[in-house]
Amino acid sequence: GAGVSQSPSNKVTEKGKDVELRCDPISGHTALYWYRQRLGQGLEFLIYFQGNSAPDKSGLPSDRFSAERTGESVSTLTIQRTQQEDSAVYLCASNTGGGFEQYFGPGTRLTVT
Amino acid sequence: RKEVEQDPGPFNVPEGATVAFNCTYSNSASQSFFWYRQDCRKEPKLLMSVYSSGNEDGRFTAQLNRASQYISLLIRDSKLSDSATYLCVVNMRGTALIFGKGTTLSVSS
Repeated sequence: GAGVSQSPSNKVTEKGKDVELRCDPISGHTALYWYRQRLGQGLEFLIYFQGNSAPDKSGLPSDRFSAERTGESVSTLTIQRTQQEDSAVYLCASNTGGGFEQYFGPGTRLTVT
Repeated sequence: RKEVEQDPGPFNVPEGATVAFNCTYSNSASQSFFWYRQDCRKEPKLLMSVYSSGNEDGRFTAQLNRASQYISLLIRDSKLSDSATYLCVVNMRGTALIFGKGTTLSVSS
């Protein structure tokens, strides 16, 4: 079946602009996660959605970052007033919840110039 | 102390070698443990889960020591295709996974 998809695959934006990144999880997966990976670094947890529960936003680095999820489907990560330090690959993952294997999308490579 | 710590390497080994990676985690309440593999400019993919009794999958063996809060991955008979970054992953909150920064392995002929 189809895996996790993300769009766009690459995004170049100017400092100060807003960007939206999209994630389509695997059908039936109730949990969705966003991570950030800077060049040569590990994955940083950003936010987690599980069903209709309030999202775990504890990893969001600033109030410029926000995310929404429509039911148990698509999620959008929004970064407002982008800064150069926001340049990274943004990875989305989904699973059936809990500590089970997460399936990752191919990521969106964001470059802020 | 970081939640999940790994030796970043790189580990440079010849084909056929045996190599071991170690990982420590800080939260004794951690529940689930995994090794993920990440190829250059690709997304992470699950290599294997780690169970308390230890588990083996072909050339790969994972061990967990809860008392020492330590996880290991052993790769026997290394192949060129094993070259990648290996991520130690821990479930601490019962929800999101915490990733180590990864250990880079380079296998040469």
